[in-house]
Amino acid sequence: AIQLTQSPSSLSASVGDTVTITCRASQGISSAFAWYQQKPGKAPRLLIHDASSLESGVPLRFSGSGAGTDFTLTISSLQPEDVATYYCQQFNSYLTFGGGTKVEIK
Amino acid sequence: QLQLQESGPGLVKSSETLSLTCTVSGGSINSGTYYWGWIRQPPGKGLEWIGSIYYSGNTYYNPSLKSRVAISVDTSKNHFSLKVYSVTAADTAVYYCTRDGRGSGWYGIYFQHWGQGNLVTVSS
Repeated sequence: AIQLTQSPSSLSASVGDTVTITCRASQGISSAFAWYQQKPGKAPRLLIHDASSLESGVPLRFSGSGAGTDFTLTISSLQPEDVATYYCQQFNSYLTFGGGTKVEIK
Repeated sequence: QLQLQESGPGLVKSSETLSLTCTVSGGSINSGTYYWGWIRQPPGKGLEWIGSIYYSGNTYYNPSLKSRVAISVDTSKNHFSLKVYSVTAADTAVYYCTRDGRGSGWYGIYFQHWGQGNLVTVSS
């Protein structure tokens, strides 16, 4: 099975900061990749699909990039409502998720 | 607007069978080429795909769970169901039902729609 390694596992940043989360796949997965946001007690919300396509309704401060084995989620100006855990997912071979990155406000 | 709602017992005894149903509203399970799936999340942990089903009944499962799970669909009731057999404490989790985001007729895709989740606790 394809393993996804997210880093960091947690981070703390100030409002307005640019935040970067990375996800590395154990083998190449082309652009079969997505990012989700999960707030406490809620279901995950799709943010990015096909590595860099922004889901409808998601704020433009969220962006995704990467292909192959290395992927990045960037939040360009962190807002208080962005406090959440972020997960990556690959759908190249079966379906697996990364371990998550918890984002907090400093 | 498409909505998914999980239902089922919140408590299951160890070695028994966990059964959940996902009722779909705002859309029909057999009206498009989407896969409908189940994902679970143990308390405080990450997400794990369990399996996915097409309106025709075609299924795909996570290899690590395949021997103990079964997903079925009832298009007349517009719902699909999950069974996990011989449960242990490790099966304690929030169970989410989902729908894929592309409708390409292939299960291997991202998840666009999610239910609110149903916490199932396995007791000894």
